[in-house]
Amino acid sequence: QITLKESGPALVKPTETLTLTCTFSGFSLNTDGLAVGWIRQPPGKALEWLGLIYWDDDKHYSPSLKSRLTFTKNTSKNEVVLTMTNMDPVDTATYYCAHSVRGDSHNWYFDLWGRGTLVTVSP
Amino acid sequence: SYELTQPPSVSVSPGQTARITCSGDALPKKYAFWYQQKSGQAPVLVMYEDNRRPSGIPERFSGSSSGTMATLTISGAQVEDEGDYYCYSTDNNFSHSVFGGGTKLIVL
Repeated sequence: QITLKESGPALVKPTETLTLTCTFSGFSLNTDGLAVGWIRQPPGKALEWLGLIYWDDDKHYSPSLKSRLTFTKNTSKNEVVLTMTNMDPVDTATYYCAHSVRGDSHNWYFDLWGRGTLVTVSP
Repeated sequence: SYELTQPPSVSVSPGQTARITCSGDALPKKYAFWYQQKSGQAPVLVMYEDNRRPSGIPERFSGSSSGTMATLTISGAQVEDEGDYYCYSTDNNFSHSVFGGGTKLIVL
């Protein structure tokens, strides 16, 4: 059974760096064809794709956030870490991590999500 | 940047067919995926690769894609199908993926 859980601070101040950890079980991120992704959702708004970190340590980031985002993985601890610099109140959102698989034609998609963690950016 | 466009809301009576559309320039070449999100919950995959239904998703959910438009159809919508539905796909260069703006399905 695959599970994912996000953890990190509920409140950060503007200009600070956010660090979130996705702890997962039921799969290994050493496995070809697997990835972990990050998605966020501001209160009352739509989902926003942040990016993916793949089994081979390749990464894809949202073009609009690429300069602020870093994904790392620790396969021995079954963890993926998101770091986002220079946080702003507009970054207030629920942040989700999700298990991602490679489908036909090399499309990657999310098949299982964590419950998400709400991060508020406020002085 | 790449965008997927969905109607803000769709409203049907119980037992009617609900159709939620998603338009995007890359959809003729890229698969569409659909997620259901109920209030206060994480999204759940309800359709992948245009028309494939994950295990556990009721048969009343189906998907199709033609040209620049993908459609999620719920035949005989139930009250429990209410929620927000998001389409998801990738741009032509595989450089990044996007979600549509979401469609609120109202069944009453």
